[in-house]
Amino acid sequence: DSGVTQTPKHLITATGQRVTLRCSPRSGDLSVYWYQQSLDQGLQFLIQYYNGEERAKGNILERFSAQQFPDLHSELNLSSLELGDSALYFCASTATSDRGHSPLHFGNGTRLTVT
Amino acid sequence: LAKTTQPISMDSYEGQEVNITCSHNNIATNDYITWYQQFPSQGPRFIIQGYKTKVTNEVASLFIPADRKSSTLSLPRVSLSDTAVYYCLVGGGDGSGNTGKLIFGQGTTLQVKP
Repeated sequence: DSGVTQTPKHLITATGQRVTLRCSPRSGDLSVYWYQQSLDQGLQFLIQYYNGEERAKGNILERFSAQQFPDLHSELNLSSLELGDSALYFCASTATSDRGHSPLHFGNGTRLTVT
Repeated sequence: LAKTTQPISMDSYEGQEVNITCSHNNIATNDYITWYQQFPSQGPRFIIQGYKTKVTNEVASLFIPADRKSSTLSLPRVSLSDTAVYYCLVGGGDGSGNTGKLIFGQGTTLQVKP
């Protein structure tokens, strides 16, 4: 168990709809990262937050947005959904270490299916 | 942004040692090298991390040459359960949350045969 919790585990919705994916990081971790993994594809970096602030942005679509709340949980909002948005969405968290980089701890993902 | 290159796939047999090499020619001074293992429909799992020379833990070893432009993950005596995708990730930060984009490469699919 990585300590990172993602809900829901599965989500089935129709094109054009909007969904919210939730992530609770490991206790004490300040950084949250979101990744998208389509079928048989690699992990695509979407966005990173640190202590409530956006710190790095990948190729995240304008229809997607995210935020990190004061209690450090994060939400990824996907709107105007298209069939191609069907994927596994992973959240990962890290601590801040003196070394400047701590390993990512991933949740088990939310599987989104757009029909 | 350090890009990584790994073999797409590798085959091995149970009980053999497996070495997976990752190239990262433009690694930055404050970058660390981290390897992850991913099973289907699961989140990647941390295996090992290093900065230079050799690191060993209970599941793997990581070899990093002096120029740090590549690294090799060594899995001793693999079993069928080691069949997975292995990713190397290069990145670092300033200790205050600025890690930049932590971008995974394509990974190496390891198939262990009986």
